[in-house]
Amino acid sequence: GAGVSQSPRYKVAKRGQDVALRCDPISGHVSLFWYQQALGQGPEFLTYFQNEAQLDKSGLPSDRFFAERPEGSVSTLKIQRTQQEDSAVYLCASSLFLENQPQHFGDGTRLSIL
Amino acid sequence: AQTVTQSQPEMSVQEAETVTLSCTYDTSESDYYLFWYKQPPSRQMILVIRQEAYKQQNATENRFSVNFQKAAKSFSLKISDSQLGDAAMYFCAYRKDQGGSEKLVFGKGTKLTVNP
Repeated sequence: GAGVSQSPRYKVAKRGQDVALRCDPISGHVSLFWYQQALGQGPEFLTYFQNEAQLDKSGLPSDRFFAERPEGSVSTLKIQRTQQEDSAVYLCASSLFLENQPQHFGDGTRLSIL
Repeated sequence: AQTVTQSQPEMSVQEAETVTLSCTYDTSESDYYLFWYKQPPSRQMILVIRQEAYKQQNATENRFSVNFQKAAKSFSLKISDSQLGDAAMYFCAYRKDQGGSEKLVFGKGTKLTVNP
């Protein structure tokens, strides 16, 4: 497709379960970002990939959060041993690695932890 | 660290009227970008308008324009001739000017309601 694709759109999990969220960026986009958006808040940065290299993971809230992009295209955000505070919308964005290029966002995955 | 502040949690406007959304930011950088994104209930962040800090001229995109005051670190969005489809959350965002690797820093958003 032409845009950033995220799946699933909704995910419900019980506390303690592991979840995996997928992001398929726009073809040719080198940069890929993950953001977490809590209810009623603006998105907050989690991690950044340049191709397959994870260059910034300063926003990951704990070691339960893990992201990968092994072939430099599709990325997966994994959350282990989920907790209720992990409930949020997880947004993925991609961009060309050029100055002045905007980030293009997917529709996000709404994660609810029961 | 850079911060972005949107002081208006909610705003409303009558259809066809003009509304201004406020945004201030804090940074020690001289080169950066500022953005306004729109997020409808569908959740997808849609870029509305962007401004390069080195440009003195305010950006405009059809009915959307900004008032960029670099010294005051202010970046407001004006929507003219408001339409029902403009109703959404609006987020102001900041990004350092370092190629394509820099994250966006968002404000908390302003919910815009457009009344018919």
